[in-house]
Amino acid sequence: KAGVTQTPRYLIKTRGQQVTLSCSPISGHRSVSWYQQTPGQGLQFLFEYFSETQRNKGNFPGRFSGRQFSNSRSEMNVSTLELGDSALYLCASSLKGLVYGELFFGEGSRLTVL
Amino acid sequence: DQQVKQNSPSLSVQEGRISILNCDYTNSMFDYFLWYKKYPAEGPTFLISISSIKDKNEDGRFTVFLNKSAKHLSLHIVPSQPGDSAVYFCAAGPYFGNEKLTFGTGTRLTIIP
Repeated sequence: KAGVTQTPRYLIKTRGQQVTLSCSPISGHRSVSWYQQTPGQGLQFLFEYFSETQRNKGNFPGRFSGRQFSNSRSEMNVSTLELGDSALYLCASSLKGLVYGELFFGEGSRLTVL
Repeated sequence: DQQVKQNSPSLSVQEGRISILNCDYTNSMFDYFLWYKKYPAEGPTFLISISSIKDKNEDGRFTVFLNKSAKHLSLHIVPSQPGDSAVYFCAAGPYFGNEKLTFGTGTRLTIIP
């Protein structure tokens, strides 16, 4: 069974640019959630999508947005990048939603903002 | 406001000894707790969980203890092995509902051969 796939794995952007990250969940999983990992902050929840609808949202500014397609693939977008957006962005999928123990994470997309 | 706290950013333990990782939480609505393990360049993987109706859950070398009155949980690894060297995140949330999981900041465990 293929795992969660995130692309790109690494990317470098400059301040003010925008970035789009992609996540392909495990086949059959309908829930996709996104987390930001930074040193000292742990994993911070961005948002969760289920059947193309955003069900939950964390405490991030509106520059962070996402969407989910009919095939459950998800994208997140960050506009007007700031230096503080440099982080590892992790995507997780699950079959039923945020039922615990069932989150499967991808390897992450490491974003560096210069 | 950090609702899930792991106050030790790092921990070093001799191979074969017990590793104890701690986690504190402040939200009394949390009643399901998990530990995830993360190797460099990989995503976190689920390790073990416990619900608030229990005070202990065991899975092989891994045991999680929950002290609800103290809002504290701990992960015990016995015996510790070099492959256990990783970052460990505790996470918490309500058992029912579609609430987000709240993660701690992680503890980097290093097992010394």
